[in-house]
Amino acid sequence: DAKTTQPNSMESNEEEPVHLPCNHSTISGTDYIHWYRQLPSQGPEYVIHGLTSNVNNRMASLAIAEDRKSSTLILHRATLRDAAVYYCIPRGGSEKLVFGKGTKLTVNP
Amino acid sequence: NAGVTQTPKFQVLKTGQSMTLQCAQDMNHEYMSWYRQDPGMGLRLIHYSVGAGITDQGEVPNGYNVSRSTTEDFPLRLLSAAPSQTSVYFCASSYFPRKTGMNTEAFFGQGTRLTVV
Repeated sequence: DAKTTQPNSMESNEEEPVHLPCNHSTISGTDYIHWYRQLPSQGPEYVIHGLTSNVNNRMASLAIAEDRKSSTLILHRATLRDAAVYYCIPRGGSEKLVFGKGTKLTVNP
Repeated sequence: NAGVTQTPKFQVLKTGQSMTLQCAQDMNHEYMSWYRQDPGMGLRLIHYSVGAGITDQGEVPNGYNVSRSTTEDFPLRLLSAAPSQTSVYFCASSYFPRKTGMNTEAFFGQGTRLTVV
């Protein structure tokens, strides 16, 4: 399984953009990069995933480095509801979904 | 569409008792897995399955058994509960990522909060 490194915590103000980084230097060429988040007292929920090019959906954008050794999850306008732990997870042929410690995002009003 | 359903939501066990945590999904997903989450910690993979009749161990399998007789159900059994198994348990399911381009978004249940006294 590819190892990931994420900051333990980050802080943002409401309605400002947030960039959550993830290093995954041992990622395999066929692994997709998945992001999940876990709101307080809830199960994790899917946010976004991508392989090589940048991806957008209604929740966030995912920017993937050209060498695929890092990626950044972008929340364009943080809201209080975005306060959660964010997990970056490479996933591919090994099929396992293995969580690291993630980044705890605090959003200030 | 119910998604992933876990039962019960809460359970208190005495040390040495056995019980089964239930997990069911209605999305025809091949991949199912169980995690535990201790206070202030991330999720740790207990067991997973890539289809009916196939299971494998995750990071922390000791003290837990699983079986997968149908695509829909993936129960987790505690044979002799110990206080160290006090935790929140999450079940997840997704399509099996057997080829690129496949959407393998995982869906999680709401969790079972287990206390062993």
